[in-house]
Formats: sequence, structure tokens, C-alpha cells
Amino acid sequence: QKEVEQNSGPLSVPEGAIASLNCTYSDRGSQSFFWYRQYSGKSPELIMFIYSNGDKEDGRFTAQLNKASQYVSLLIRDSQPSDSATYLCAVNPFSGGYNKLIFGAGTRLAVHP
Amino acid sequence: DTGVSQDPRHKITKRGQNVTFRCDPISEHNRLYWYRQTLGQGPEFLTYFQNEAQLEKSRLLSDRFSAERPKGSFSTLEIQRTEQGDSAMYLCASSLALSYEQYFGPGTRLTVT
Repeated sequence: QKEVEQNSGPLSVPEGAIASLNCTYSDRGSQSFFWYRQYSGKSPELIMFIYSNGDKEDGRFTAQLNKASQYVSLLIRDSQPSDSATYLCAVNPFSGGYNKLIFGAGTRLAVHP
Repeated sequence: DTGVSQDPRHKITKRGQNVTFRCDPISEHNRLYWYRQTLGQGPEFLTYFQNEAQLEKSRLLSDRFSAERPKGSFSTLEIQRTEQGDSAMYLCASSLALSYEQYFGPGTRLTVT
């Protein structure tokens, strides 16, 4: 089992729709969770982080965390073509002493006009 | 620009040569991380510094790889006797001591021919 799993996609959504990206993790002691956006050929850009169970909203983005189910998600409302990118889920595992991030392979999102 | 910077941005080298990359973190960040990313995968953790101390190294970091952060500011990553399998994007990230949010530089793309 991979430590952080994501559906590779592509996830295709029409402009203006809600994109829902999901991630599961294996280390139950993990404490912090991150979503990065990565455009092709570029480096990852931090867009959201969440530490507590529940929802956290920032503009068009909402991160959701359920530690009991070991599940993190990212919702993007009013999706725009400029949101087309790979979204990486990252976890700060307890086994790593919270000193590193373990990344999933990413979900490719395509927003079409 | 006060973000993480990396140099060079691209490096092409022949197999067997040594290469060195540099990372300058965000100025007030005392934690510095190196990751490696290959096509279609998320970044993989290589090593981590707090100030000048290298506190963790991944099993991925063979004895051909060495990293330093001599004065707790910039860091260098050296790969000796490069192999074609070393071809990847090498990413540097930094964070504040009491924060788990890591910010990435633009990366150095290494191609070993």
C-alpha cells in the first residue's frame, strides 16, 4: 500500500463546475495535510493546508479532512481553465517525525471551457 | 523576489560526471529540504536540514549523493558519478522552524546522457 494515494485522473470538469479531488493516507499518526498545485514543467505551489478534522475554506478552495477515515479532499468551486494542473496531496507523517512530506502521485485536473 | 531560489535551472551532464546544485531558502526559514521528482510521480523526500544540521536522510540518498548547509543559509546537493537514473527534477523547499508548510523553489532539471 502506498503511503499517500490519489486517483491519477485526468479529472475533466466543465468551466464553472466544482472539482473534487481526493486523497487517502496510511499513517494514522499524520498530523498535517497539504495540497499543492503543479503546472506542467513547474514546481509545486502550496495552495491549502489543514490540520484539524472538518473543512477549511480559502477563496474558491475548500480542504476537507477526516482523520478517522484517513481521507483528505480538495474542492475547487467555479473551476476555471487556469485551474488545469496536477494537484498533489502531501502528508506530514508521524513516522517521519513530522519533518518531511510524503506526496501522492497527483491528480491531473482538466477544466474545459 | 523573496522566494526559494535554485541554481542552475537546467543541467545536462554526461554519465559519470559530478554535478552540484545550489538552493537559497526564504531568508527567515531555518528548515531546508531536498526532494527529487520524476515524471508522473510526486516529489520524493531526500534530506532535511535544520539550520546547518542535517537531521534526516532518505534511504533514496545513496552514497553518491551529499548535501551540505554550511552556515545554515544556502544548501548544496552534489551527485557524484551521475547515472542515467539520476535524471529528474531536484526540488528544494524551506519552512519556518515551527511550521510544517514547505515552500518550493523552481527546481533544477537534471538530464544525464
